[in-house]
Amino acid sequence: KQEVTQIPAALSVPEGENLVLNCSFTDSAIYNLQWFRQDPGKGLTSLLLIQSSQREQTSGRLNASLDKSSGRSTLYIAASQPGDSATYLCAVRLGAGGTSYGKLTFGQGTILTVHP
Amino acid sequence: DAGITQSPRYKITETGRQVTLMCHQTWSHSYMFWYRQDLGHGLRLIYYSAAADITDKGEVPDGYVVSRSKTENFPLTLESATRSQTSVYFCASEGRPNNEQFFGPGTRLTVL
Repeated sequence: KQEVTQIPAALSVPEGENLVLNCSFTDSAIYNLQWFRQDPGKGLTSLLLIQSSQREQTSGRLNASLDKSSGRSTLYIAASQPGDSATYLCAVRLGAGGTSYGKLTFGQGTILTVHP
Repeated sequence: DAGITQSPRYKITETGRQVTLMCHQTWSHSYMFWYRQDLGHGLRLIYYSAAADITDKGEVPDGYVVSRSKTENFPLTLESATRSQTSVYFCASEGRPNNEQFFGPGTRLTVL
């Protein structure tokens, strides 16, 4: 059974700092990995999607990397801002034979607070 | 507006009552999902659907029923609500070809 772990569970940083959120998974036979952001009382917003054949994806100040062999992904946030404060979730999708099962397994999330 | 919507956004009901949560998406995505989010458990898959009239169980399906007569709608029914079903429920849909999932705003359900 795929297990996804996110470290740290919570992180508090001053504005402007660069930071890294970690995600590890136990089964390396993944189809893709997706990073989400969740604001309090809101739904999940997709940030980045990395296919199993890719090593990284970038969107603005966000960069996500994927190392399938070691079962790890990182989300790098550059020049953090108070508006980045949210819970960040990673989710992996198992795949076999080049097809996806369509089911995501989520980590517990990292609660990020960026203070002015 | 395009996207994925859920209704109601908030619902309070009593133990034993039947409750239906609605989910509607405008992208014509084939795959749709229902999750529940609870403190200490994170997000857990209840049911999913690969297409109209095709549904399958997820991790925690007991006490829930789904149907999908139209591609755009995926209602979730609690046949006889229990207090343990108090949770936040999220609907999601998945686009092809890159299998990116998009989530609705959620329904906060309280069972008294």
